[in-house]
Amino acid sequence: GENVEQHPSTLSVQEGDSAVIKCTYSDSASNYFPWYKQELGKGPQLIIDIRSNVGEKKDQRIAVTLNKTAKHFSLHITETQPEDSAVYFCAASPLGRGGTASKLTFGTGTRLQVTL
Amino acid sequence: DAGVTQSPTHLIKTRGQQVTLRCSPKSGHDTVSWYQQALGQGPQFIFQYYEEEERQRGNFPDRFSGHQFPNYSSELNVNALLLGDSALYLCASSFSLLGRTQYFGPGTRLLVL
Repeated sequence: GENVEQHPSTLSVQEGDSAVIKCTYSDSASNYFPWYKQELGKGPQLIIDIRSNVGEKKDQRIAVTLNKTAKHFSLHITETQPEDSAVYFCAASPLGRGGTASKLTFGTGTRLQVTL
Repeated sequence: DAGVTQSPTHLIKTRGQQVTLRCSPKSGHDTVSWYQQALGQGPQFIFQYYEEEERQRGNFPDRFSGHQFPNYSSELNVNALLLGDSALYLCASSFSLLGRTQYFGPGTRLLVL
């Protein structure tokens, strides 16, 4: 089955700096890669996702890159703010029947702390 | 537009008991997936329901079962609870015809004593 590794497990940056979180996956059948942000006591919130036919996607301060050959993808957060502090999870998923949602395999999470 | 809702928010049970957790999907969604998140870990896929049938299942024993109702809401049942079942149980919903984006609810925190 799919295995997703995520690094680093903790990351501390100063406000305004950039943060990068990296993930690798094992199953070449995976072609959908979402990133979730989880705040204390809440469920994961989707912040950005990328499909395997795209190498990079950007949404304001957040960007994700995908290298299918190397089987790794990364989350980039620029101009970090204190409210970015949370646990971030990457995930991978193969194509479901009819292109529908399939099981997500998650990484172990990165605790991001943005200090003033 | 209501998001994914789950009930109850917290639950305490003892070993050997049975528990039922409930999920209402986001408005317009017809597919529900359940995940277990142990403390400090990423969520792990339990199973997925679509058209009132279990469509996919992760590596969880038969003690974990579910159901989906005609209004797309879903239940997760766990029998013969073990201490190791203590976790945050997350429900995620998606719409079958619009791809694979899954939206998560706030979860139910289960503590087994």
